[in-house]
Amino acid sequence: EDQVTQSPEALRLQEGESSSLNCSYTVSGLRGLFWYRQDPGKGPEFLFTLYSAGEEKEKERLKATLTKKESFLHITAPKPEDSATYLCAVRSAGGTSYGKLTFGQGTILTVHP
Amino acid sequence: GAVVSQHPSRVICKSGTSVKIECRSLDFQATTMFWYRQFPKKSLMLMATSNEGSKATYEQGVEKDKFLINHASLTLSTLTVTSAHPEDSSFYICSARERISSYNEQFFGPGTRLTVL
Repeated sequence: EDQVTQSPEALRLQEGESSSLNCSYTVSGLRGLFWYRQDPGKGPEFLFTLYSAGEEKEKERLKATLTKKESFLHITAPKPEDSATYLCAVRSAGGTSYGKLTFGQGTILTVHP
Repeated sequence: GAVVSQHPSRVICKSGTSVKIECRSLDFQATTMFWYRQFPKKSLMLMATSNEGSKATYEQGVEKDKFLINHASLTLSTLTVTSAHPEDSSFYICSARERISSYNEQFFGPGTRLTVL
């Protein structure tokens, strides 16, 4: 069974204080690791997909990296508008071919001005 | 591109009534749509996977007769909560994956807040 664990559960930062969010995973044949951002009362917003160890992707102040066991979402010089819940999910080669995602519990990020 | 809409965004109903939630992919064809449920401050729980023209695949513990899913076209899936009860109150979110590749990302709708009185 695929498993995804995110840490920390909650993270409070001052504006400009860089940090990283962790996503550890166990999966039978990774077919993609996904990062989403979710604001309260809204659906998740797609950020990145990573497919193989060593891959990195960047978008504005966010950078996602991937190893064989975990992924990091690095936030550089965050701003208050980066406050949200960040969700990590994996898709595996096992099970059906329908592309089921297994989500972690999320990290609640709060950036104070 | 890759916009997914849901309707309604909020619904309040009396216990025992049925509620239908629509999920549409607006600018792409979605072979597969997924329905999730999310409790406050919790992550997304997959309820079922819906493929156009075929029966939905439900996750373990999800009642098929209570949560009816229909994927009538490549741009529309519906979730009907039958005989709703207060414990069905939750945030329901759909997602859709583009037809072209099974490796494509899932794009999520904005969610529907269901409150059963």
